[in-house]
Amino acid sequence: DSGVTQTPKHLITATGQRVTLRCSPRSGDLSVYWYQQSLDQGLQFLIHYYNGEERAKGNILERFSAQQFPDLHSELNLSSLELGDSALYFCASSVLWSGAGGEQFFGPGTRLTVL
Amino acid sequence: QQQVKQSPQSLIVQKGGISIINCAYENTAFDYFPWYQQFPGKGPALLIAIRPDVSEKKEGRFTISFNKSAKQFSLHIMDSQPGDSATYFCAASRGSGGSNYKLTFGKGTLLTVNP
Repeated sequence: DSGVTQTPKHLITATGQRVTLRCSPRSGDLSVYWYQQSLDQGLQFLIHYYNGEERAKGNILERFSAQQFPDLHSELNLSSLELGDSALYFCASSVLWSGAGGEQFFGPGTRLTVL
Repeated sequence: QQQVKQSPQSLIVQKGGISIINCAYENTAFDYFPWYQQFPGKGPALLIAIRPDVSEKKEGRFTISFNKSAKQFSLHIMDSQPGDSATYFCAASRGSGGSNYKLTFGKGTLLTVNP
């Protein structure tokens, strides 16, 4: 158990809908990263928040947004969902900026299925 | 542009054998190289990591070998066990300087250890 929690574990929805994925980092970790894992693209970085502020964006669609709240939990919002958005979504947390400064610990993921 | 190339895609090893997974990177700014292990239905779990100031790091049966000049690093699993059967991902990030410490992942290697 990494100490990172994600809810829900599974999410099934229809095209065009909007969903919110939630992540609680390990106690004391200030950084939250979101990743998308799909069969064709593998694990792809989406966005990084540090202590409530957005720090970096990766391959994140404009239909997707995220935020980190004062209690450090984070939410990833996915809107106007398309079939291709079906994937596993992971969040990871670390104490610092990560990289050599701190390992990233992954949550169990949310499996999103768009029908 | 795939910045971290991982091979092989899949690997079958007999119990007690050595499993070797290779990765090559392009971005010379990378200075942190972790390996993650992922079991079905679980999030990636950090296995071992290395920085480029050393050529080898060993933790139990797991060893990372690093060749800075060739921009390559590999994971060796000695005395492979059926419980090691999982998908292994190499990754790279910038651990110092800059503002983006995202992990860039290889495509993964599905390791099967036969009893």
